[in-house]
Amino acid sequence: GENVEQHPSTLSVQEGDSAVIKCTYSDSASNYFPWYKQELGKRPQLIIDIRSNVGEKKDQRIAVTLNKTAKHFSLHITETQPEDSAVYFCAALSNTGFQKLVFGTGTRLLVSP
Amino acid sequence: NAGVTQTPKFQVLKTGQSMTLQCAQDMNHEYMSWYRQDPGMGLRLIHYSVGAGITDQGEVPNGYNVSRSTTEDFPLRLLSAAPSQTSVYFCAKGQGSSYEQYFGPGTRLTVT
Repeated sequence: GENVEQHPSTLSVQEGDSAVIKCTYSDSASNYFPWYKQELGKRPQLIIDIRSNVGEKKDQRIAVTLNKTAKHFSLHITETQPEDSAVYFCAALSNTGFQKLVFGTGTRLLVSP
Repeated sequence: NAGVTQTPKFQVLKTGQSMTLQCAQDMNHEYMSWYRQDPGMGLRLIHYSVGAGITDQGEVPNGYNVSRSTTEDFPLRLLSAAPSQTSVYFCAKGQGSSYEQYFGPGTRLTVT
C-alpha cells in the first residue's frame, strides 16, 4: 500500500522567511496530493492540492510542486506570518476504487515575529 | 463547518465500555471516512464508506465497527474500549467528482 514520508517534523523560521516542507510517496498510482493545515485543537483544513498531471500550483503565498518521476512533492510558503504557525500534513491519494488518503506524520511550523 | 458534524466533542470511557461516535454530513457526498489522530503519527484511516450500505476497512480497523444506513450518517462504534483507543477521531466526507476531503471538528476520546 501507499506510504508517505514527511520532513522535517519541526521547522522554525523568522517572520518573512520562506518555509519548505517535503514529502515522498511510494505508490506510483497515486494521483492526488493535498496539503492540510491544522491549528491547535482544530480540524485539518485543506489549503492547497495538486493532481498528477500538473507540476506546480500556486495560491497567493503558498505553492506546491510535484515530481512524479522522483515521487516527491513539496509545500512552499513565502513571506511567512505568525498566523502560518500550525501543523501541516501532506497526503497522497490512490484512486483504487476508493479515494483513500494516506497522510504523512506532519510538520510543526513555528513562525517567530 | 465544512458540512460535517461530529458528536460528542469530548468523551471519557472506562476500559470495556462501549460507545458510538456520531458523524453526519449535510450534503449527498458519497464518500465518508473515519480517521484517528495520535501524536507523531498523523491521521490514520480506520474505516470508510463509498455509499449507503457499503463500508470497508482502512489501516487500523481493529476494535471499531461502522455502518452506513443512510448517505448522511456514518457512526463509529467502539465495542469494548481499550486505553490504546485514546485518540482524537475525525470524520471526513468526500465527493466522487473531486478528490477533496473535508473533516469534521473531531471527537477527543479518553479511555481510562
